[in-house]
Amino acid sequence: QKEVEQDPGPLSVPEGAIVSLNCTYSNSAFQYFMWYRQYSRKGPELLMYTYSSGNKEDGRFTAQVDKSSKYISLFIRDSQPSDSATYLCAHAGTYKYIFGTGTRLKVLA
Amino acid sequence: DTAVSQTPKYLVTQMGNDKSIKCEQNLGHDTMYWYKQDSKKFLKIMFSYNNKELIINETVPNRFSPKSPDKAHLNLHINSLELGDSAVYFCASSLHPTSGGSGANVLTFGAGSRLTVL
Repeated sequence: QKEVEQDPGPLSVPEGAIVSLNCTYSNSAFQYFMWYRQYSRKGPELLMYTYSSGNKEDGRFTAQVDKSSKYISLFIRDSQPSDSATYLCAHAGTYKYIFGTGTRLKVLA
Repeated sequence: DTAVSQTPKYLVTQMGNDKSIKCEQNLGHDTMYWYKQDSKKFLKIMFSYNNKELIINETVPNRFSPKSPDKAHLNLHINSLELGDSAVYFCASSLHPTSGGSGANVLTFGAGSRLTVL
């Protein structure tokens, strides 16, 4: 079992839809969780990070961590074609970051 | 002003050759990493360096030899290239090696070096 699992997609949604991206993880020791966005042929860029359980909001994006069920979610409201990318969840381990396989999202105009 | 820069961006080479990828960060970070991303977009840690010292070697074949001449640079040399080495290699850096009381210790990535072995 991989330490962090994501549905690879692709996930296609119409413009304006609410998108829900999810990860599960197996190691309950770590506290920090990140979401990275990666456009085609580019490096991943940090979108948001959260600490322990709870929600964090930034504009159209909300990150949620449920430590009891080892579940990480990213919600995108009013999705735009420019949100089309691969979304990678990660948790911060000791001296390394463990990434999920990424979910490819397509927002259709 | 690029924070983490890698060269070259593209590498096409024959099996058995040796190649190097260079990385530099101007963020003043202590920790640098090499990640490999396969065709399915899975990002896997290869090496972590903190202040020029190797702290993680994630069971990478010894054909891969990283070198950190100073904490702003981390290079990757690959000997005897194999078909399975074809991937995108990302350099990254972070302020510290771990997250802790001062907050999340986020990674900043370079743009990647796409290696194709024929």
